[in-house]
Amino acid sequence: DAKTTQPTSMDCAEGRAANLPCNHSTISGNEYVYWYRQIHSQGPQYIIHGLKNNETNEMASLIITEDRKSSTLILPHATLRDTAVYYCIVRATNYGGSQGNLIFGKGTKLSVKP
Amino acid sequence: GAVVSQHPSWVICKSGTSVKIECRSLDFQATTMFWYRQFPKQSLMLMATSNEGSKATYEQGVEKDKFLINHASLTLSTLTVTSAHPEDSSFYICSAREVLVSNQPQHFGDGTRLSIL
Repeated sequence: DAKTTQPTSMDCAEGRAANLPCNHSTISGNEYVYWYRQIHSQGPQYIIHGLKNNETNEMASLIITEDRKSSTLILPHATLRDTAVYYCIVRATNYGGSQGNLIFGKGTKLSVKP
Repeated sequence: GAVVSQHPSWVICKSGTSVKIECRSLDFQATTMFWYRQFPKQSLMLMATSNEGSKATYEQGVEKDKFLINHASLTLSTLTVTSAHPEDSSFYICSAREVLVSNQPQHFGDGTRLSIL
């Protein structure tokens, strides 16, 4: 699976949009981009994923560049509860059995401040 | 949405004790479950992949005789830390993926914090 690069940390003011970038310049055509977050002392929480098109759900929006070499996770109105480590992961879809596990990097520590 | 339940949430036990952690997919069937370990201020590290009805696949450096994994049904996988020692103290997290749905996300349990005295 392709490797991702994320900033180590970011700050965001409460109520503002949080834009978290991710670089995945070696992504393959069959690899999806997944975003998870981990709030302190909890298991990772799924946020969103996409292949080529931009995606939106009740939690966030995912913007993927046309060349798919990078993406941005957008939390439209950040709250204090969004403070967490955010992980951007790419994973192939053509897996089966024991393949297709998620490989976690160091992620971005997002701090939402009042 | 898909829910993964992990039990217990935390456990404290004496050195030499064996500890069993359960991971259940509550509203979906999971052919494959994954076990991760996370040390303080570090990211999640995959320990093993658990496949229903077959032997688990362990990552390099993970002792299969120490971390016993059983995946007896499509909704339950267990991790047993045998003869646990203080260095095994960590945050253990399981995840599960729905059967036959290739691009669906993995869902994670809330983790088990294991402290060995």
